[in-house]
Amino acid sequence: DAGITQSPRYKITETGRQVTLMCHQTWSHSYMFWYRQDLGHGLRLIYYSAAADITDKGEVPDGYVVSRSKTENFPLTLESATRSQTSVYFCASSSGLNYGYTFGSGTRLTVV
Amino acid sequence: EDKVVQSPLSLVVHEGDTVTLNCSYEVTNFRSLLWYKQEKKAPTFLFMLTSSGIEKKSGRLSSILDKKELFSILNITATQTGDSAIYLCAVEALSAGNNRKLIWGLGTSLAVNP
Repeated sequence: DAGITQSPRYKITETGRQVTLMCHQTWSHSYMFWYRQDLGHGLRLIYYSAAADITDKGEVPDGYVVSRSKTENFPLTLESATRSQTSVYFCASSSGLNYGYTFGSGTRLTVV
Repeated sequence: EDKVVQSPLSLVVHEGDTVTLNCSYEVTNFRSLLWYKQEKKAPTFLFMLTSSGIEKKSGRLSSILDKKELFSILNITATQTGDSAIYLCAVEALSAGNNRKLIWGLGTSLAVNP
């Protein structure tokens, strides 16, 4: 299917486990982003990528790792999950500076 | 510190009413302002505004930017229950190395009652 897809949609994990959230887009957009959305904080940028093999930290990168070996994929890994990482995670992509961002459907992650 | 402030935080109206949502910002290296609608899932793109005074319109929704006074408004006319959502405003700035940075407001929660 064309578009931007995230998986899984829902995930429950235990504290200390490593978790990887997947993001895949079919448009060959150069820019990709990971956000978390929490009540009272709105959307906060975790990491972004301007192109394959180029990534940079956002506002709240601690505890997260990203990679982008292919343009279409931008996985987000929680190295050792903590309860404070319970959140809804959104991946987004954009084709360029004059274009808006398109969001995936989100992953609701619960760390117990 | 860059910031985007939306008002009101929440709003309840009746179908057919017209609403105006506000977004003010203080952002260095402003590039554009974006409006999104978020229902119970991902934000969906509404408008991108880069120039002052030029209205963008899509059906019953319209938006305009004032770069001198640093704000934007989103108008919704003849509201319908399907307009119930959180409306998010974000300002894009360019940081060092042409890196893109979006600063998000907390949103306005709109409820349209039949």
